[in-house]
Amino acid sequence: DGGITQSPKYLFRKEGQNVTLSCEQNLNHDAMYWYRQDPGQGLRLIYYSQIVNDFQKGDIAEGYSVSREKKESFPLTVTSAQKNPTAFYLCASSIGLAVSYEQFFGPGTRLTVL
Amino acid sequence: DAKTTQPTSMDCAEGRAANLPCNHSTISGNEYVYWYRQIHSQGPQYIIHGLKNNETNEMASLIITEDRKSSTLILPHATLRDTAVYYCIVIDDKIIFGKGTRLHILP
Repeated sequence: DGGITQSPKYLFRKEGQNVTLSCEQNLNHDAMYWYRQDPGQGLRLIYYSQIVNDFQKGDIAEGYSVSREKKESFPLTVTSAQKNPTAFYLCASSIGLAVSYEQFFGPGTRLTVL
Repeated sequence: DAKTTQPTSMDCAEGRAANLPCNHSTISGNEYVYWYRQIHSQGPQYIIHGLKNNETNEMASLIITEDRKSSTLILPHATLRDTAVYYCIVIDDKIIFGKGTRLHILP
């Protein structure tokens, strides 16, 4: 089955540690995205990538970093510089970057920083 | 900021039609209206989208007013599994998810 996977579903880290969240897709989509969701809030865009080896900052990129070395993978690193990292993180992909393309979302990773 | 306005929450009886309104009074001519929903602790799921004509698929119907300043998502026979947050999104250069409408289906 085609889709997007994120792992792990729950992640706990100590304050001050960097942590990398995995996102893999086998839909052959060019564009991939990372969103953050806080309780009772909508999604906010962290980073997006249109193509391999290219990515752009979203609305709340500070304290995060990404890489896009392969088409199917778009890992997100939450660095110690991110002041409030505890949140629900969602990865998505679409055929292309044009906003008229439907986005497919993964199941999400809930990160808790202790 | 999101370009849409939706009620914070709504209730609907199981088996009845759920009608979710959305105002997008600043929409421009080439902007699509998209609807997604998010079941608790899952990723959002695409439902339907439209430009100016009404649209229907296996999940829902989308009714867009003639002036395109508002739309209504219709779930024809709501079930308990339709309990979710429903996001109405007007797409210009990027997708912005607002707070959506929390739909409660009552047994």
